[in-house]
Amino acid sequence: AQTVTQSQPEMSVQEAETVTLSCTYDTSESDYYLFWYKQPPSRQMILVIRQEAYKQQNATENRFSVNFQKAAKSFSLKISDSQLGDAAMYFCAYRSLNTGNQFYFGTGTSLTVIP
Amino acid sequence: EAQVTQNPRYLITVTGKKLTVTCSQNMNHEYMSWYRQDPGLGLRQIYYSMNVEVTDKGDVPEGYKVSRKEKRNFPLILESPSPNQTSLYFCASSSAGRVDEQFFGPGTRLTVL
Repeated sequence: AQTVTQSQPEMSVQEAETVTLSCTYDTSESDYYLFWYKQPPSRQMILVIRQEAYKQQNATENRFSVNFQKAAKSFSLKISDSQLGDAAMYFCAYRSLNTGNQFYFGTGTSLTVIP
Repeated sequence: EAQVTQNPRYLITVTGKKLTVTCSQNMNHEYMSWYRQDPGLGLRQIYYSMNVEVTDKGDVPEGYKVSRKEKRNFPLILESPSPNQTSLYFCASSSAGRVDEQFFGPGTRLTVL
């Protein structure tokens, strides 16, 4: 089975600064998707950004961007110009295309934004 | 309003007493899934369904059952709950073309004594 590892249980960032959340994964597959989800205190999960493994170009969504290193199996999330509303738990996730669309999530990183 | 609803939101029960957590979505989504969230373990997928009458095991299916008789509903059944099933449960749905854009329900906090 695939595994997703987030080695930073907690992170903090000053408002307006940049922070990078780390994620590594283990897989023998060549085709898959990677995601970052945000879970605010309301507990609703929100898709932040998605990366297809076959694409070399790093995905970007406004202030959110990823650094996808396929050979290293690394998928970090960079949040620029951090805002108070960015405070949440962030989950890295992997979606298998070979095992019927099964998802694997990391353990999460709790991000605090300091005013 | 497009949404995924779960009931109940909170449940305290005892070991061995069968229970069902309902999940319903109003977006005509094909893909539905159940997760449990535990501290230090993140989200783990229990079961998922690509369409009516099609269900597959996720990472941690033991002790759970699901059914998908209607497209909008995907109940999670615990035939004989045990304390290790105490957790926060999420239902999610998405369209077949955008499986990763999962809409999550508000969660169900289950405690098994």
